[in-house]
Amino acid sequence: GQNIDQPTEMTATEGAIVQINCTYQTSGFNGLFWYQQHAGEAPTFLSYNVLDGLEEKGRFSSFLSRSKGYSYLLLKELQMKDSASYLCAVITGFQKLVFGTGTRLLVSP
Amino acid sequence: DAGVIQSPRHEVTEMGQEVTLRCKPISGHNSLFWYRQTMMRGLELLIYFNNNVPIDDSGMPEDRFSAKMPNASFSTLKIQPSEPRDSAVYFCASSFVTGDQPQHFGDGTRLSIL
Repeated sequence: GQNIDQPTEMTATEGAIVQINCTYQTSGFNGLFWYQQHAGEAPTFLSYNVLDGLEEKGRFSSFLSRSKGYSYLLLKELQMKDSASYLCAVITGFQKLVFGTGTRLLVSP
Repeated sequence: DAGVIQSPRHEVTEMGQEVTLRCKPISGHNSLFWYRQTMMRGLELLIYFNNNVPIDDSGMPEDRFSAKMPNASFSTLKIQPSEPRDSAVYFCASSFVTGDQPQHFGDGTRLSIL
């Protein structure tokens, strides 16, 4: 079976740093994506990890540990517009993405 | 460049009716994916195509659902007959074939079956 776990909801303050965790147990692993989804909109790509370690992209960073089945998305200098759902997704086979149920992040002033 | 284009954006229909959702992938992308998103189950892959050929349809819930991709620039997802539990947002996404390329999502079709 495929199991991808994320916290349901998180809150943080503008300007702060927040870390969204994702743990996975899947039948295959060919990489991990993070997507952002604003309410009523389509998911948009944030980051991709296939090797262990940290990938940094501006205010957003993503970390992967394949041996632990663990990833996190780090958001720095939070802005109000970062209020959204963040989806962790694992490539389990040839192009087949399995998504977690997402973490809803609320950024307050 | 235009992104993935889906139509209609919203569909409200009565149970038992046939529903057809349409998708135009990004030009040059050779993989196309259909997803369904609900509050309870999140984003679920229904079926995906590579070079217009269905590769994995294990996520299609039942025989009432069917999908086609007659050419590289068009795909349909059909539900016949529709049921209230089919109410969800249906997304189409496309990408290049290599696994590290992200999937680009359309704006989705919000489907309500009464």
